[in-house]
Formats: sequence, C-alpha cells, structure tokens
Amino acid sequence: EPEVTQTPSHQVTQMGQEVILRCVPISNHLYFYWYRQILGQKVEFLVSFYNNEISEKSEIFDDQFSVERPDGSNFTLKIRSTKLEDSAMYFCASRAQGTATGELFFGEGSRLTVL
Amino acid sequence: DAKTTQPNSMESNEEEPVHLPCNHSTISGTDYIHWYRQLPSQGPEYVIHGLTSNVNNRMASLAIAEDRKSSTLILHRATLRDAAVYYCILRDYNTDKLIFGTGTRLQVFP
Repeated sequence: EPEVTQTPSHQVTQMGQEVILRCVPISNHLYFYWYRQILGQKVEFLVSFYNNEISEKSEIFDDQFSVERPDGSNFTLKIRSTKLEDSAMYFCASRAQGTATGELFFGEGSRLTVL
Repeated sequence: DAKTTQPNSMESNEEEPVHLPCNHSTISGTDYIHWYRQLPSQGPEYVIHGLTSNVNNRMASLAIAEDRKSSTLILHRATLRDAAVYYCILRDYNTDKLIFGTGTRLQVFP
C-alpha cells in the first residue's frame, strides 16, 4: 500500500539553527500538507500546498517557516531559526487530485526537539 | 470553523461493537463530517467521511443524524489495534484544512 514517508524520524537541534524536514508524498498525489502536534496537545494545521504554491496557511506558519517541492517527489518544511516552542511532532500529508472532500494520507511524523 | 463535541474517553471489550458519538450542532451545509484516528506514536489515519447519508467502508460505518447535528462512528467488532484517539472533524468544502479537536480516546480490553 502506498504511503507517505518522512525523514528524519527524530532530529535534535540547538535553538536558532535551521531545520529541514523532508517528506515523500504518495506519487500521484498533488495536494500536500504539514501539520504539527506538540506533545500532549492537538494536531494543528500549518500549511497546504498545491501547484507549487501555498494555498492556505495558519497563524503558526509565520516567516520562520517555508515549504518547497524542490524536485517533484520531495516536499520539505524549513524552519529558519528554531525556537524552543517549535519542539513537536511534524506530520506531512498528501491527497489525490479530484478528492476535494476525501482522505488525507499522513506520514508517521518527524519529531523535532529544540534545545 | 464549526466545532465538534466528543466524549474524552470510552472503553470497549474486544470483539464488541463500539459507537463513538459526535455532536456538531453548528454544522453548515458545506461541511463534510470526517473521522480520523491516531494510534499511539503514529500520524492520523483516515477512517471515513460523509455528508448526509450513512456510509460504510472496510474500517467502520458512519451514521449521520437526519438534521446532521450529530453523527456516530461505529466499529462493528473492536480489536486491540483499534485502541486510538478518534477525531470527529467538520471539513468545509471550501477549505483544505482539517481542524482537529481533542477527540475520544478509545481503550479496548481483551
């Protein structure tokens, strides 16, 4: 069964450092998302991406965050200068074309720990 | 975003049916009712979704009230692997994001 894969599974970084989290969405999917979950809290929407553009973003997704689809298979989330409060599990998700109301497929997540 | 209300937790025994309720009294005409679940240490997983009619798939059934102000996710025979947090989410047709609440933590006992 096709799946969304994410790397790294866990990254530890120092405050102020740049971090890039990588995702390989399901191959024929065209809609991509990042969500995050701080330990013990709700899953929160960060950003949605389609046709090489951000289609929606939340208030969390400020200028420190960016997304990119550099090569047609990877979808990345960059945090320019990490803060302690960025420590969370980050989930990538993707959706197929023509399923506007349908399911998102989530990866297993990348745990980011900022020290 | 339209809000849903779910019990914090529920319990079931293995091989018994489970009915997970969700209230969404402020649902609008363009809101689809989605259910996702999150197993321990994993990402959310799609379960089922519907608009007005009841829906069945290999994982579960979704029963939607006639006035659409509530719905029930039905697991026909709970297994230990069904222990998870179940999220009832209203997704507006005009937006592409899911707003997760706190969900219902389902415990399944052998």
